[in-house]
Amino acid sequence: QKEVEQDPGPLSVPEGAIVSLNCTYSNSAFQYFMWYRQYSRKGPELLMYTYSSGNKEDGRFTAQVDKSSKYISLFIRDSQPSDSATYLCAMRGNQGGKLIFGQGTELSVKP
Amino acid sequence: GEEVAQTPKHLVRGEGQKAKLYCAPIKGHSYVFWYQQVLKNEFKFLISFQNENVFDETGMPKERFSAKCLPNSPCSLEIQATKLEDSAVYFCASSQSQGTGELFFGEGSRLTVL
Repeated sequence: QKEVEQDPGPLSVPEGAIVSLNCTYSNSAFQYFMWYRQYSRKGPELLMYTYSSGNKEDGRFTAQVDKSSKYISLFIRDSQPSDSATYLCAMRGNQGGKLIFGQGTELSVKP
Repeated sequence: GEEVAQTPKHLVRGEGQKAKLYCAPIKGHSYVFWYQQVLKNEFKFLISFQNENVFDETGMPKERFSAKCLPNSPCSLEIQATKLEDSAVYFCASSQSQGTGELFFGEGSRLTVL
């Protein structure tokens, strides 16, 4: 079993839809949770960064962490074609070091 | 610099040849990470550094892969005697701190082994 599980999709939605992306994990030591966006042939771009449980909002993006369920989510409101990309969840523990990534979810937002 | 700079963007090598990739972390960042992404698959951690010291090398295939971060020089990842399965995009990331810092990634170096 992988430490971080993420549905690879692909996920296709119409423009303006609310998108929900999720990851589950097994390691209770994870404390720092990130969402990256990766466009084709580009490096991952950090979207959201949260520590421990709770919500964080930035514009159209909301990240949620539920440590009791070992479940994290990213919501995209009013999705745009420019949001079409692969979204990767990633996490690390208090001891720092490497990020553990999910498999990435490929999202397509249709005009 | 303000971003992680990786060179070269593309590298083509014949099987058995050596490949060397470079990474300049964001100025002020003490931690450097190397990841391998094969096709569209997930990121595989290779090695990390704290300044010039190896911090975690649990992901490194020890036989043919080596990496260095020397003072006042870009970090490097070297693959001796490349194999077909080494074809991937190699990403470098840097972080300001060990436990709490976000990782910022470069654009990657695409290695093709023929």
